[in-house]
Amino acid sequence: ILNVEQSPQSLHVQEGDSTNFTCSFPSSNFYALHWYRWETAKSPEALFVMTLNGDEKKKGRISATLNTKEGYSYLYIKGSQPEDSATYLCAFLNYMKTSYDKVIFGPGTSLSVIP
Amino acid sequence: KAGVTQTPRYLIKTRGQQVTLSCSPISGHRSVSWYQQTPGQGLQFLFEYFSETQRNKGNFPGRFSGRQFSNSRSEMNVSTLELGDSALYLCASTRGLAGSYEQYFGPGTRLTVT
Repeated sequence: ILNVEQSPQSLHVQEGDSTNFTCSFPSSNFYALHWYRWETAKSPEALFVMTLNGDEKKKGRISATLNTKEGYSYLYIKGSQPEDSATYLCAFLNYMKTSYDKVIFGPGTSLSVIP
Repeated sequence: KAGVTQTPRYLIKTRGQQVTLSCSPISGHRSVSWYQQTPGQGLQFLFEYFSETQRNKGNFPGRFSGRQFSNSRSEMNVSTLELGDSALYLCASTRGLAGSYEQYFGPGTRLTVT
Protein backbone atom coordinates (compact mmCIF):
# COMPACT_ATOMS: atom_id res chain seq x y z
CA ILE A 1 0.00 0.00 0.00
CA LEU A 2 1.45 3.35 -1.03
CA ASN A 3 1.31 5.91 1.76
CA VAL A 4 1.80 9.66 1.57
CA GLU A 5 2.12 11.61 4.78
CA GLN A 6 2.19 15.32 5.49
CA SER A 7 3.31 17.17 8.57
CA PRO A 8 2.29 19.04 10.49
CA GLN A 9 -1.43 18.42 10.22
CA SER A 10 -2.13 22.08 10.95
CA LEU A 11 -0.16 25.22 11.50
CA HIS A 12 -0.97 28.66 12.85
CA VAL A 13 1.52 31.43 12.11
CA GLN A 14 1.62 35.17 12.44
CA GLU A 15 1.52 37.37 9.37
CA GLY A 16 5.07 37.89 8.15
CA ASP A 17 6.41 34.62 9.55
CA SER A 18 8.06 32.17 7.22
CA THR A 19 6.97 28.57 7.44
CA ASN A 20 7.54 25.19 5.90
CA PHE A 21 5.92 21.79 5.85
CA THR A 22 6.80 18.32 4.73
CA CYS A 23 5.44 15.69 2.39
CA SER A 24 6.80 12.15 2.80
CA PHE A 25 6.31 9.53 0.12
CA PRO A 26 7.72 6.15 -0.95
CA SER A 27 11.36 6.42 -2.02
CA SER A 28 10.99 3.85 -4.79
CA ASN A 29 9.13 3.93 -8.11
CA PHE A 30 8.92 7.70 -8.15
CA TYR A 31 7.27 9.37 -11.12
CA ALA A 32 6.27 12.85 -9.94
CA LEU A 33 5.17 14.89 -6.97
CA HIS A 34 2.56 17.61 -7.18
CA TRP A 35 1.79 20.38 -4.69
CA TYR A 36 -1.65 22.01 -4.50
CA ARG A 37 -3.20 24.82 -2.50
CA TRP A 38 -6.86 24.40 -1.55
CA GLU A 39 -8.63 27.42 -0.14
CA THR A 40 -11.99 27.06 1.52
CA ALA A 41 -14.92 27.22 -0.91
CA LYS A 42 -12.56 27.11 -3.89
CA SER A 43 -11.05 24.40 -6.08
CA PRO A 44 -7.56 23.01 -5.57
CA GLU A 45 -4.95 25.07 -7.38
CA ALA A 46 -1.76 23.55 -8.72
CA LEU A 47 1.43 25.02 -7.28
CA PHE A 48 4.24 22.80 -8.55
CA VAL A 49 4.85 19.66 -10.58
CA MET A 50 8.18 18.15 -9.55
CA THR A 51 9.77 15.29 -11.42
CA LEU A 52 13.53 15.27 -10.83
CA ASN A 53 15.51 14.57 -7.68
CA GLY A 54 16.93 17.86 -6.45
CA ASP A 55 14.21 19.90 -8.16
CA GLU A 56 13.63 23.32 -6.69
CA LYS A 57 10.61 25.29 -7.83
CA LYS A 58 9.51 28.80 -6.91
CA LYS A 59 6.35 30.81 -7.43
CA GLY A 60 6.41 34.18 -5.75
CA ARG A 61 6.89 33.67 -2.02
CA ILE A 62 6.32 29.93 -2.23
CA SER A 63 9.04 27.44 -3.07
CA ALA A 64 9.47 23.69 -2.93
CA THR A 65 12.31 21.19 -2.91
CA LEU A 66 12.33 17.51 -3.76
CA ASN A 67 14.43 14.58 -2.55
CA THR A 68 13.28 11.41 -4.28
CA LYS A 69 16.03 9.21 -2.85
CA GLU A 70 14.86 9.74 0.72
CA GLY A 71 11.22 10.32 -0.19
CA TYR A 72 10.38 13.83 0.94
CA SER A 73 9.50 17.27 -0.35
CA TYR A 74 9.43 20.56 1.52
CA LEU A 75 7.15 23.48 0.81
CA TYR A 76 8.30 26.88 2.03
CA ILE A 77 6.28 30.06 2.36
CA LYS A 78 8.27 33.22 2.97
CA GLY A 79 6.59 36.10 4.79
CA SER A 80 3.19 34.47 5.20
CA GLN A 81 0.15 36.57 4.39
CA PRO A 82 -3.49 35.99 5.43
CA GLU A 83 -4.30 35.05 1.82
CA ASP A 84 -1.91 32.10 2.17
CA SER A 85 -4.37 30.50 4.58
CA ALA A 86 -5.38 27.24 2.93
CA THR A 87 -4.82 23.51 2.99
CA TYR A 88 -1.66 22.48 1.17
CA LEU A 89 -1.78 19.04 -0.41
CA CYS A 90 0.92 16.96 -1.98
CA ALA A 91 0.22 14.15 -4.43
CA PHE A 92 2.61 11.30 -5.23
CA LEU A 93 2.54 9.50 -8.56
CA ASN A 94 4.15 6.09 -8.67
CA TYR A 95 6.11 4.90 -11.68
CA MET A 96 4.75 1.87 -13.45
CA LYS A 97 5.90 0.44 -16.78
CA THR A 98 6.71 3.54 -18.83
CA SER A 99 4.44 5.97 -17.05
CA TYR A 100 2.57 6.36 -13.77
CA ASP A 101 -0.18 4.38 -12.20
CA LYS A 102 -2.07 6.13 -9.45
CA VAL A 103 -2.24 9.57 -7.89
CA ILE A 104 -2.05 9.39 -4.12
CA PHE A 105 -2.80 12.49 -2.11
CA GLY A 106 -1.50 13.22 1.33
CA PRO A 107 -3.94 14.32 4.04
CA GLY A 108 -2.82 17.94 3.75
CA THR A 109 -1.42 20.63 6.02
CA SER A 110 -3.91 23.28 7.07
CA LEU A 111 -2.25 26.68 7.34
CA SER A 112 -3.82 29.62 9.13
CA VAL A 113 -2.07 32.98 8.94
CA ILE A 114 -3.11 35.33 11.71
CA PRO A 115 -3.10 39.04 10.78
CA LYS B 1 -9.95 30.89 -21.48
CA ALA B 2 -12.88 29.21 -19.78
CA GLY B 3 -12.05 27.01 -16.82
CA VAL B 4 -13.14 23.48 -16.02
CA THR B 5 -16.88 23.22 -15.53
CA GLN B 6 -18.83 20.55 -13.73
CA THR B 7 -22.54 19.87 -13.72
CA PRO B 8 -24.59 19.62 -11.70
CA ARG B 9 -23.07 21.47 -8.76
CA TYR B 10 -25.33 19.83 -6.20
CA LEU B 11 -27.24 16.60 -6.28
CA ILE B 12 -29.37 14.67 -3.83
CA LYS B 13 -30.04 11.02 -4.58
CA THR B 14 -31.55 8.07 -2.76
CA ARG B 15 -29.65 4.92 -1.89
CA GLY B 16 -29.84 2.42 -4.73
CA GLN B 17 -30.22 5.01 -7.47
CA GLN B 18 -27.57 5.84 -10.03
CA VAL B 19 -26.05 9.18 -10.91
CA THR B 20 -24.10 10.71 -13.78
CA LEU B 21 -21.79 13.66 -13.31
CA SER B 22 -20.36 15.72 -16.14
CA CYS B 23 -17.06 17.51 -16.60
CA SER B 24 -16.03 19.86 -19.41
CA PRO B 25 -12.29 20.42 -19.51
CA ILE B 26 -10.40 23.51 -20.56
CA SER B 27 -10.33 23.81 -24.34
CA GLY B 28 -7.40 21.89 -25.76
CA HIS B 29 -6.90 19.72 -22.69
CA ARG B 30 -6.97 16.01 -23.43
CA SER B 31 -6.79 14.46 -19.98
CA VAL B 32 -9.58 14.43 -17.44
CA SER B 33 -9.15 12.95 -13.97
CA TRP B 34 -11.81 12.38 -11.37
CA TYR B 35 -11.40 12.56 -7.59
CA GLN B 36 -13.59 11.92 -4.57
CA GLN B 37 -13.22 14.02 -1.46
CA THR B 38 -14.72 12.91 1.83
CA PRO B 39 -13.95 14.20 5.32
CA GLY B 40 -12.69 10.83 6.47
CA GLN B 41 -10.65 9.77 3.44
CA GLY B 42 -9.39 13.02 2.01
CA LEU B 43 -8.90 13.39 -1.71
CA GLN B 44 -8.87 10.07 -3.55
CA PHE B 45 -8.12 9.34 -7.17
CA LEU B 46 -10.92 7.67 -9.11
CA PHE B 47 -9.66 7.45 -12.69
CA GLU B 48 -8.03 9.33 -15.54
CA TYR B 49 -9.17 9.48 -19.13
CA PHE B 50 -6.91 10.48 -21.97
CA SER B 51 -7.96 10.56 -25.60
CA GLU B 52 -11.20 8.69 -24.79
CA THR B 53 -9.37 5.85 -23.03
CA GLN B 54 -9.25 5.11 -19.32
CA ARG B 55 -5.57 4.92 -18.59
CA ASN B 56 -5.67 4.10 -14.88
CA LYS B 57 -8.06 3.67 -12.00
CA GLY B 58 -7.98 4.09 -8.26
CA ASN B 59 -9.19 1.61 -5.68
CA PHE B 60 -12.92 1.99 -6.12
CA PRO B 61 -15.54 -0.66 -6.78
CA GLY B 62 -16.91 -1.33 -10.22
CA ARG B 63 -19.97 0.76 -9.42
CA PHE B 64 -17.83 3.75 -10.30
CA SER B 65 -17.28 4.13 -14.03
CA GLY B 66 -16.63 6.85 -16.51
CA ARG B 67 -16.07 7.71 -20.08
CA GLN B 68 -14.62 10.44 -22.23
CA PHE B 69 -15.98 11.75 -25.48
CA SER B 70 -14.14 12.87 -28.58
CA ASN B 71 -14.37 16.51 -27.46
CA SER B 72 -12.62 15.52 -24.20
CA ARG B 73 -15.74 16.06 -22.10
CA SER B 74 -16.06 13.34 -19.50
CA GLU B 75 -18.83 11.76 -17.50
CA MET B 76 -18.64 9.76 -14.33
CA ASN B 77 -21.34 7.30 -13.34
CA VAL B 78 -22.04 5.75 -9.98
CA SER B 79 -24.56 2.94 -9.90
CA THR B 80 -26.41 1.50 -6.91
CA LEU B 81 -25.60 4.46 -4.71
CA GLU B 82 -24.61 3.87 -1.11
CA LEU B 83 -24.66 6.32 1.78
CA GLY B 84 -20.87 6.31 1.76
CA ASP B 85 -20.83 7.72 -1.77
CA SER B 86 -21.85 11.10 -0.37
CA ALA B 87 -18.90 13.27 -1.22
CA LEU B 88 -17.52 16.12 -3.26
CA TYR B 89 -16.55 14.88 -6.70
CA LEU B 90 -13.89 16.90 -8.46
CA CYS B 91 -12.64 16.65 -11.97
CA ALA B 92 -9.42 18.10 -13.27
CA SER B 93 -8.09 18.61 -16.77
CA THR B 94 -4.56 18.68 -18.10
CA ARG B 95 -3.15 19.46 -21.51
CA GLY B 96 -1.19 16.22 -21.48
CA LEU B 97 -1.09 13.27 -19.13
CA ALA B 98 -2.04 14.37 -15.62
CA GLY B 99 1.18 13.16 -14.09
CA SER B 100 3.43 15.53 -15.97
CA TYR B 101 1.41 18.74 -16.10
CA GLU B 102 -0.49 21.04 -13.80
CA GLN B 103 -4.04 19.94 -13.22
CA TYR B 104 -6.84 22.49 -13.36
CA PHE B 105 -9.74 21.58 -11.12
CA GLY B 106 -13.42 22.25 -11.58
CA PRO B 107 -15.69 23.54 -8.79
CA GLY B 108 -16.93 20.05 -7.98
CA THR B 109 -20.26 18.30 -7.66
CA ARG B 110 -21.56 17.83 -4.13
CA LEU B 111 -23.44 14.52 -4.02
CA THR B 112 -25.63 13.66 -1.06
CA VAL B 113 -27.06 10.15 -0.83
CA THR B 114 -29.98 9.70 1.55
